[in-house]
Amino acid sequence: NAGVTQTPKFRILKIGQSMTLQCTQDMNHNYMYWYRQDPGMGLKLIYYSVGAGITDKGEVPNGYNVSRSTTEDFPLRLELAAPSQTSVYFCASSPTGLAKNIQYFGAGTRLSVL
Amino acid sequence: AQSVAQPEDQVNVAEGNPLTVKCTYSVSGNPYLFWYVQYPNRGLQFLLKYITGDNLVKGSYGFEAEFNKSQTSFHLKKPSALVSDSALYFCAVIPKGSGTYKYIFGTGTRLKVLA
Repeated sequence: NAGVTQTPKFRILKIGQSMTLQCTQDMNHNYMYWYRQDPGMGLKLIYYSVGAGITDKGEVPNGYNVSRSTTEDFPLRLELAAPSQTSVYFCASSPTGLAKNIQYFGAGTRLSVL
Repeated sequence: AQSVAQPEDQVNVAEGNPLTVKCTYSVSGNPYLFWYVQYPNRGLQFLLKYITGDNLVKGSYGFEAEFNKSQTSFHLKKPSALVSDSALYFCAVIPKGSGTYKYIFGTGTRLKVLA
C-alpha cells in the first residue's frame, strides 16, 4: 500500500538550475497539494489541485509551477532555483466526500539550493 | 488575518505522565480542527479532527483533543506519555464555510518524552 510517493528524497541544486519534484498517489484521490516546510514556520501551501487538469495557487506560489495531467501525478517544477527555495517539500492528497479534509502526506523531498 | 498558534516550541514530559500540547486559533466562523504528527524524516500523519458534536474527540495512539469554543483552543492531550510519542505535532484548521480544503497550519510543537 504505497500511498503518496515522492521522488527524489534529497537533492542539491545550484542557483539557476531547474528541477521537477515528482509526486504520485495510488489512492485515487482527486485533491492534491504541495507544501514547503521551513524550520519554525510550519507548512505553507504552494499549489493545489482539485482534479486532473485543474490547479490553483496557494500561499507561496512564486518560483514554482505545477501540472496535473492525471489523477495520480502532481509534479512540482522549480525554474531558476534560488537559495530561498531551500526547504523540505511535501506532497499530500485527500479524497472527496466526507473524508476530504484528511490529507495523506508523502515522506518529503529535502532540497538544498547552493 | 487568520492564524493558528502553537505557543510552545517544545514540550518535555516524563514517560507515564500526562501530556498537553496547546493550540489556539483565530479564524472566522467555526472551523474544522486537526492534529497531525510528524516523525523524523517522515510526512505528516493524521491523528484526529473536530468537525462538530462532542467537544472531546479521540484519535490514534491514545491521543485526544478538546475543542473549547470560548477560548478558541484545541489542545492535544494524552493521559500517559510514551517515549515513542516523541515527535513534532502540528495543529491545523480549515475555516468552515470557506469553500476550501486548504489548511492553515500552526508552527509545530516538538514533544520530547523522557524515559
